[in-house]
Amino acid sequence: DAKTTQPNSMESNEEEPVHLPCNHSTISGTDYIHWYRQLPSQGPEYVIHGLTSNVNNRMASLAIAEDRKSSTLILHRATLRDAAVYYCILVRGGGADGLTFGKGTHLIIQP
Amino acid sequence: DTAVSQTPKYLVTQMGNDKSIKCEQNLGHDTMYWYKQDSKKFLKIMFSYNNKELIINETVPNRFSPKSPDKAHLNLHINSLELGDSAVYFCASSRLAGGVHEQYFGPGTRLTVT
Repeated sequence: DAKTTQPNSMESNEEEPVHLPCNHSTISGTDYIHWYRQLPSQGPEYVIHGLTSNVNNRMASLAIAEDRKSSTLILHRATLRDAAVYYCILVRGGGADGLTFGKGTHLIIQP
Repeated sequence: DTAVSQTPKYLVTQMGNDKSIKCEQNLGHDTMYWYKQDSKKFLKIMFSYNNKELIINETVPNRFSPKSPDKAHLNLHINSLELGDSAVYFCASSRLAGGVHEQYFGPGTRLTVT
């Protein structure tokens, strides 16, 4: 399976934008890029996903490099509630084998 | 309304017992999953169940068995519980399998085996 690489942790200030990077140099043409987050003591929560084009939703934006070997999750205005572990995961387009979670990035938000 | 629910939230039991965790989704999804999060917070897929096709992670002991009475439910049965089974178990669902579809997770069941 194609793997992703994320920084172990990042720190940001409240109400500032946050850019969370993810490298996936061995991505295949049918892999979707998914982002999930897990707040303390909760189940993982879907954030956003995309294939080739940049994506926006109410939670975040996803910027995908032209060669698809990296992507960036953008939180436009971080709040304390965004403190969580963020996971970047590649998911096969036709697969049914679930999500392969890595260690993710622990995002710390300073007030 | 809760989209994906699990019962119980906490389960404490002794080694050797058999227990079940229930999962229900009211999203009309066709695919459901079970994940295990161990004490080091590492999340791992155990099973995915799509249109009666079961895909098993090969590392899951056969003491674990998913059972789906209908499309909205995927229960997890565990036989002969061991200390190492202590973990948080998450159920999830998606409209269909594959990368096009996002997954929605339940709140988790914390299993403690003593």
